[in-house]
Amino acid sequence: KNEVEQSPQNLTAQEGEFITINCSYSVGISALHWLQQHPGGGIVSLFMLSSGKKKHGRLIATINIQEKHSSLHITASHPRDSAVYICAAKTQGGSEKLVFGKGMKLTVNP
Amino acid sequence: NAGVMQNPRHLVRRRGQEARLRCSPMKGHSHVYWYRQLPEEGLKFMVYLQKENIIDESGMPKERFSAEFPKEGPSILRIQQVVRGDSAAYFCATQDQLNTEAFFGQGTRLTVV
Repeated sequence: KNEVEQSPQNLTAQEGEFITINCSYSVGISALHWLQQHPGGGIVSLFMLSSGKKKHGRLIATINIQEKHSSLHITASHPRDSAVYICAAKTQGGSEKLVFGKGMKLTVNP
Repeated sequence: NAGVMQNPRHLVRRRGQEARLRCSPMKGHSHVYWYRQLPEEGLKFMVYLQKENIIDESGMPKERFSAEFPKEGPSILRIQQVVRGDSAAYFCATQDQLNTEAFFGQGTRLTVV
């Protein structure tokens, strides 16, 4: 079992839909990153959070430390949101390296 | 602030050659992480460096791979005698101190032919 699990693995949505991407982790963390990667492209950090909720534009990220679960929500989805969304746990102590989920490929159709 | 710069963006090497991948951190960032993304797989940690020191290399293959982060200049990930299985995207992420947000470079896509 991976230390960071994401669901679903793939999602196709229609423009305008509300989208939720889930992430569960089993390691101790100091923080959790949500990342975005376009095909053949670089990686952009969307959020780093260690408690509660953060909002940026149409994106909202939440984390429940007790349940070891985080969600990324996209409101009013748009075709330009099509990308792979990756959840990454920043491990506690030591080097605080990131442990990644396998990512969720989102396709938003017009 | 130009962000995290990686070069080259694409690198093609023949089997047996050496590959050198460079990562220039954001200004003020002294912590560098290297990650590898194999085709159809998730990202995996390779090595964590601070200026002139390797702190954690638990994700580095034992042979052919090395990393450095000199006092001056970029961090270098070096792969000697490349094999086809080294073909992957290599990303670096940098931050100014522990427990702060990591910023990623655009990655270097290595193809071994």
